[in-house]
Amino acid sequence: GQQLNQSPQSMFIQEGEDVSMNCTSSSIFNTWLWYKQDPGEGPVLLIALYKAGELTSNGRLTAQFGITRKDSFLNISASIPSDVGIYFCAGQKGAQKLVFGQGTRLTINP
Amino acid sequence: EPEVTQTPSHQVTQMGQEVILRCVPISNHLYFYWYRQILGQKVEFLVSFYNNEISEKSEIFDDQFSVERPDGSNFTLKIRSTKLEDSAMYFCASSGSRTYQETQYFGPGTRLLVL
Repeated sequence: GQQLNQSPQSMFIQEGEDVSMNCTSSSIFNTWLWYKQDPGEGPVLLIALYKAGELTSNGRLTAQFGITRKDSFLNISASIPSDVGIYFCAGQKGAQKLVFGQGTRLTINP
Repeated sequence: EPEVTQTPSHQVTQMGQEVILRCVPISNHLYFYWYRQILGQKVEFLVSFYNNEISEKSEIFDDQFSVERPDGSNFTLKIRSTKLEDSAMYFCASSGSRTYQETQYFGPGTRLLVL
């Protein structure tokens, strides 16, 4: 089945540092999405990418859709305490289900 | 801002009992989804629903599961005879169209615990 490999699994950083995480797949996806999940909550969409090679920013977040349509990265600049949580990449093929990565748990030391 | 709502937020049930998880999608959305997340694991697709029928389902969505849109606002997931391994967070999502550029919005989830 389709699988997304997300890395790293966890990150421990100091407040103010930049963060980078990525996702790869053996399958091609039409859309790559990055979600954040806080404890006990549902995933909240951060950035959606629709075109191969597309680089999109949302405040301190920047994400890119790989040229091959099989990978994506998410960068967070100048991290702050509220960035703590689990970040999931998700691929969408066609118009239906999302396939999620395993998540990157971000912990920030003040 | 419109949002997807889910009830109950938590449900504890005995193995073998039936449970119904309820969702109210965003009002003008047409496509509805259920996902689940076992504790500490990734979010997994269960089923998608459009025009009063299932569009796609995963291998997880076996005969013990069913979905229904009983009226114009609710979307339900029924588990007929719960098993221990059904314990998970269940998320409902909805989107406005089938185009790949249409975002799926997630509800806050129902935490199901089967004892």
